[in-house]
Amino acid sequence: NAGVTQTPKFQVLKTGQSMTLQCAQDMNHNSMYWYRQDPGMGLRLIYYSASEGTTDKGEVPNGYNVSRLNKREFSLRLESAAPSQTSVYFCASQRAGRSNQPQHFGDGTRLSIL
Amino acid sequence: TQLLEQSPQFLSIQEGENLTVYCNSSSVFSSLQWYRQEPGEGPVLLVTVVTGGEVKKLKRLTFQFGDARKDSSLHITAAQPGDTGLYLCAGTSNDYKLSFGAGTTVTVRA
Repeated sequence: NAGVTQTPKFQVLKTGQSMTLQCAQDMNHNSMYWYRQDPGMGLRLIYYSASEGTTDKGEVPNGYNVSRLNKREFSLRLESAAPSQTSVYFCASQRAGRSNQPQHFGDGTRLSIL
Repeated sequence: TQLLEQSPQFLSIQEGENLTVYCNSSSVFSSLQWYRQEPGEGPVLLVTVVTGGEVKKLKRLTFQFGDARKDSSLHITAAQPGDTGLYLCAGTSNDYKLSFGAGTTVTVRA
């Protein structure tokens, strides 16, 4: 069972470069999320998609854009990477948003920006 | 400012000892979830508590939701090395988005 798959697992960028983090889920979940995890700060929500065709800003959206390509895929784009965006990025999916149902997480993308 | 404060930040104990992790907030949550995360992996849900005063047990793990739904605790009895990991609490408010605590890193020494 693949669950939530994130690619790439590791990436090093130079300041100003752009890149897209990919996320796909095979559980037919409606809602998908992007978080970043920094030491001592837990996970912070960047963007989420309650259902296919909708996206909304989370707690820390500045510097990021997202695309809900279809029900399975939710990508996160950094247009002009900055050192402050060095972090571990997690994608998660949930059967239905606005519920107490569990979120299922991928294994993360470790991103370093020099 | 973290909406959910977890304590302690780090905990190192010997195998067989008990431990308690706390998760506190000034906000009321409609539910609270506990996740465990191992190095190089994403968080995995352990439990969801919904009702104030609720107690749930998962083998040697006991989870409690405060009466006012502002705080929670995780107690592990007779900890084993396999319990090592980062424990995260996360609360859902009215919009059902998750707010995470910073986490407690638990190390159980054999």
